Amino acid sequence: GAGVSQSPSNKVTEKGKDVELRCDPISGHTALYWYRQSLGQGLEFLIYFQGNSAPDKSGLPSDRFSAERTGGSVSTLTIQRTQQEDSAVYLCASSLVKGSYNEQFFGPGTRLTVL
Amino acid sequence: QKEVEQNSGPLSVPEGAIASLNCTYSDRGSQSFFWYRQYSGKSPELIMFIYSNGDKEDGRFTAQLNKASQYVSLLIRDSQPSDSATYLCAVFSGGYNKLIFGAGTRLAVHP
Repeated sequence: GAGVSQSPSNKVTEKGKDVELRCDPISGHTALYWYRQSLGQGLEFLIYFQGNSAPDKSGLPSDRFSAERTGGSVSTLTIQRTQQEDSAVYLCASSLVKGSYNEQFFGPGTRLTVL
Repeated sequence: QKEVEQNSGPLSVPEGAIASLNCTYSDRGSQSFFWYRQYSGKSPELIMFIYSNGDKEDGRFTAQLNKASQYVSLLIRDSQPSDSATYLCAVFSGGYNKLIFGAGTRLAVHP
């Protein structure tokens, strides 16, 4: 498909376990964002990758959260020692950043439930 | 002051009316502005973008940008119940070099 894909679509885990969430951006998009959205809340920025620049990690809520982007394409968000407050929908978005052109397209999200 | 501010709503309008959604931003150097629609349980969907001062029309949607006053708005003409959703304003901030989202305005269009 031509859009942003994320996997898994749903993840249920036990408190204390580690989880990995995957994002496959639109081909050729240089920028990739991770957001978190709790029920009924707005988007919470987590991390931003742009080309070969160092990622902007300013939104990561704790050191249990990390993300990497391999080869400038697929990204993995890892949450270690999950807590119940980590339960949310995790959204990935990508964009082609060219001058002021930077329309961002979202994937369908991964719904994480920590029991 | 938040970088991008929106009234959380809900904004309730009757079917067929014009819905007006507003957004203000703090980074005067911002250059590109976006409106996303998010239905409950779904991911945000880009519906409009605007880069220049003035109006931009696309079907029933009009985006308005006033950089001097640092606000951007979205007008939805002939509102339909299917327009009921949360509308997110997003601004590409040169200062932060990333897209900044507002918290969203919930729109309810009643028959």
